[in-house]
Amino acid sequence: KAGVTQTPRYLIKTRGQQVTLSCSPISGHRSVSWYQQTPGQGLQFLFEYFSETQRNKGNFPGRFSGRQFSNSRSEMNVSTLELGDSALYLCASSAVAGDYNEQFFGPGTRLTVL
Amino acid sequence: AQSVTQPDIHITVSEGASLELRCNYSYGATPYLFWYVQSPGQGLQLLLKYFSGDTLVQGIKGFEAEFKRSQSSFNLRKPSVHWSDAAEYFCAVGARGGSQGNLIFGKGTKLSVKP
Repeated sequence: KAGVTQTPRYLIKTRGQQVTLSCSPISGHRSVSWYQQTPGQGLQFLFEYFSETQRNKGNFPGRFSGRQFSNSRSEMNVSTLELGDSALYLCASSAVAGDYNEQFFGPGTRLTVL
Repeated sequence: AQSVTQPDIHITVSEGASLELRCNYSYGATPYLFWYVQSPGQGLQLLLKYFSGDTLVQGIKGFEAEFKRSQSSFNLRKPSVHWSDAAEYFCAVGARGGSQGNLIFGKGTKLSVKP
């Protein structure tokens, strides 16, 4: 079974631009969560989607948004990029939501904002 | 407020030596507890988790962790470290009945292994 895939793996953008990151969960998984990882703040929860609905959202500004498609693939978008948005963005999938099950993480997308 | 503290930013051990990585949490009730490992350029891999029951939890790759409610700790141990264990380790807590997306992670402990 293929794991969680994230595309692209690396991105370089400039301030003010917007970016879209993609996550394909493990086949059959319907829950997708997004995390931001930075050296200063560590791993922080962005949002979780299940069956195309956002179930939870972390404490991030509205510039960060996401969505999930009917095939469970998810995208996250960051508008008006700031230097502080440089981070590793991790996606995780699991079979169900609403309770703790093992999350499977993707390799991440490394975003650099210049 | 809920929080997770990993007091050691960086630990170096010799190959074959024992390992203990510390994790303390602040939480209103008994949370779900996790340890993850991250190798360079990789995502997170779950090592083990504690939900309830036996407070000594066995995980993959020979790791174990012990939940101590009185100390609000969930330390990770391994009796004999291998060079391939060099990585960054993250402790995480989550709310019972909450969403698995709402995990709170510690800042991580980077493990280096000396030959």
